[in-house]
Amino acid sequence: DVKVTQSSRYLVKRTGEKVFLECVQDMDHENMFWYRQDPGLGLRLIYFSYDVKMKEKGDIPEGYSVSREKKERFSLILESASTNQTSMYLCASRITGPAGNQPQHFGDGTRLSIL
Amino acid sequence: DQQVKQNSPSLSVQEGRISILNCDYTNSMFDYFLWYKKYPAEGPTFLISISSIKDKNEDGRFTVFLNKSAKHLSLHIVPSQPGDSAVYFCAAGEGKYGNKLVFGAGTILRVKS
Repeated sequence: DVKVTQSSRYLVKRTGEKVFLECVQDMDHENMFWYRQDPGLGLRLIYFSYDVKMKEKGDIPEGYSVSREKKERFSLILESASTNQTSMYLCASRITGPAGNQPQHFGDGTRLSIL
Repeated sequence: DQQVKQNSPSLSVQEGRISILNCDYTNSMFDYFLWYKKYPAEGPTFLISISSIKDKNEDGRFTVFLNKSAKHLSLHIVPSQPGDSAVYFCAAGEGKYGNKLVFGAGTILRVKS
């Protein structure tokens, strides 16, 4: 079974802090993703990575950056946290292949509150 | 501009009956569609997918129907069980091997016993 592990379930940070969210997958997947989930908006893609050190912007990259130094780990960085970044953050991974047959597998999420 | 819309925020169904969850999309370039289920405090889990070249895909109690001319898909759950109570997300993407998914806002399904 695919295991996507997010380092924290809950996190509380202050405005202006630099925040790191970590994600690790154990299935040697090439592709990794970061989403945020907000009520009424569903899941929105922030960034994804298709290989080590490679990244692409998703639909809402502003205020975020990412790092992928190793294949199994994908980090989301909030450079200077703001209250509008309070949200549920979800990490996912998938193996390269037809998207319908090789779906994304999600972690359990990190509930981030910015005070 | 929401490319994928789930217009029903919630749905309540009696155990044993059919649940029908609906999803509309605006981008005719979408090549595949997926449904995910999400329980509270857990990440979404993949349920079923359908390619744009098909109009139906079945997996056990779950069937997805695609109507390309109407840009509409639906997920049927028969028979519905209390354990099916969850949030259901519809998602769509372009390109057979594409990575970018666009998600709908989700529909909360409650199955009453």
